[in-house]
Amino acid sequence: SAVISQKPSRDICQRGTSLTIQCQVDSQVTMMFWYRQQPGQSLTLIATANQGSEATYESGFVIDKFPISRPNLTFSTLTVSNMSPEDSSIYLCSVETGNKQYFGPGTRLTVT
Amino acid sequence: GENVEQHPSTLSVQEGDSAVIKCTYSDSASNYFPWYKQELGKRPQLIIDIRSNVGEKKDQRIAVTLNKTAKHFSLHITETQPEDSAVYFCAASVNDYKLSFGAGTTVTVRA
Repeated sequence: SAVISQKPSRDICQRGTSLTIQCQVDSQVTMMFWYRQQPGQSLTLIATANQGSEATYESGFVIDKFPISRPNLTFSTLTVSNMSPEDSSIYLCSVETGNKQYFGPGTRLTVT
Repeated sequence: GENVEQHPSTLSVQEGDSAVIKCTYSDSASNYFPWYKQELGKRPQLIIDIRSNVGEKKDQRIAVTLNKTAKHFSLHITETQPEDSAVYFCAASVNDYKLSFGAGTTVTVRA
């Protein structure tokens, strides 16, 4: 497996602002993913982030709203831009290693 | 894209009894089927997975079965304990990428 950390663990933000979430893993991984989990719901893939290439976004998610960086093989960021209350969610990163996916602890975002 | 359906949405069992959760998938190209357990306020934890080249896999009290023809797979928990209480998610993917998750099953084990 891998040790995955996220910062911040939680935040309360005002609408119209942006928040950048960081994901750090303790080993080099090719594939990192960002998911959203709305309260009481399942996990939905936002995008796949590979080092050295543009992130690949899933239907319903766009780069202007959720820009992603992947500067190296152990780190990625997800920005939630121009936030609205509908963006209140848990955002989780995951990594693929050993042909399995493991999740970070998540960032609980509340937009007021 | 892949569509994964999961049933039941809630499951209450007496401690010591078995629990079974079933999932169906739509994309016949899917070949990897993990199961995650999520306790309240915690991250999803991978508990078992199966690939399309096997029909069954077991790890202590947990087992997963796969029927590729019918495109469904199931999680079996035997001798349930209170610590098995959690939300369980099934998922499916092609070549380990882009997991598509089921809606989740809330399992409650009654003491």
